[in-house]
Amino acid sequence: LAKTTQPISMDSYEGQEVNITCSHNNIATNDYITWYQQFPSQGPRFIIQGYKTKVTNEVASLFIPADRKSSTLSLPRVSLSDTAVYYCLVAEGSGGYQKVTFGTGTKLQVIP
Amino acid sequence: EAGVTQFPSHSVIEKGQTVTLRCDPISGHDNLYWYRRVMGKEIKFLLHFVKESKQDESGMPNNRFLAERTGGTYSTLKVQPAELEDSGVYFCASSQDGLAADTQYFGPGTRLTVL
Repeated sequence: LAKTTQPISMDSYEGQEVNITCSHNNIATNDYITWYQQFPSQGPRFIIQGYKTKVTNEVASLFIPADRKSSTLSLPRVSLSDTAVYYCLVAEGSGGYQKVTFGTGTKLQVIP
Repeated sequence: EAGVTQFPSHSVIEKGQTVTLRCDPISGHDNLYWYRRVMGKEIKFLLHFVKESKQDESGMPNNRFLAERTGGTYSTLKVQPAELEDSGVYFCASSQDGLAADTQYFGPGTRLTVL
């Protein structure tokens, strides 16, 4: 399974753009990159997913370089409510079905 | 549309007792997953159902854990007998087609405390 590495924690002031980078050096051809957000006492919540280049939705952008060995989650103008743990996952097709492995995640603290 | 629900939200039991956790996936989702986080460690995969069949149970820690999904709807995870190291948060997730590009939707989790 593809292992991911991301910073343990990050601090940011409100209103700033936050970029969290994740490395996944042994990603396979058919794997997808997925990011989840988790608040205390809640389950992980899907944020965004991509295969290559750039993906944007209403809450975030995901940048994936051509070699796909890393990815960067970009959160525009964070607010206090964005304080959470962010997980970078590689979604693999195992026997035709998806399998994901959670890492340590990045604990983002947004400061007023 | 209702999300993934889990019951109970908390359970406190004594070592040696039995506990059954329940997960109701999003309606129409054939794929159901169980995960758990113990003692502040990483979230770990336990098993994956496709409808009522166990597709992958490589993460089940031992034979004290029994997962079922009769009828391919809700699932139960029974721990019998519970041990102290089983304490943690058990998450359930569901997805539609289960392929690599699919999205897993997680429930709020069940916090299990074994005394």
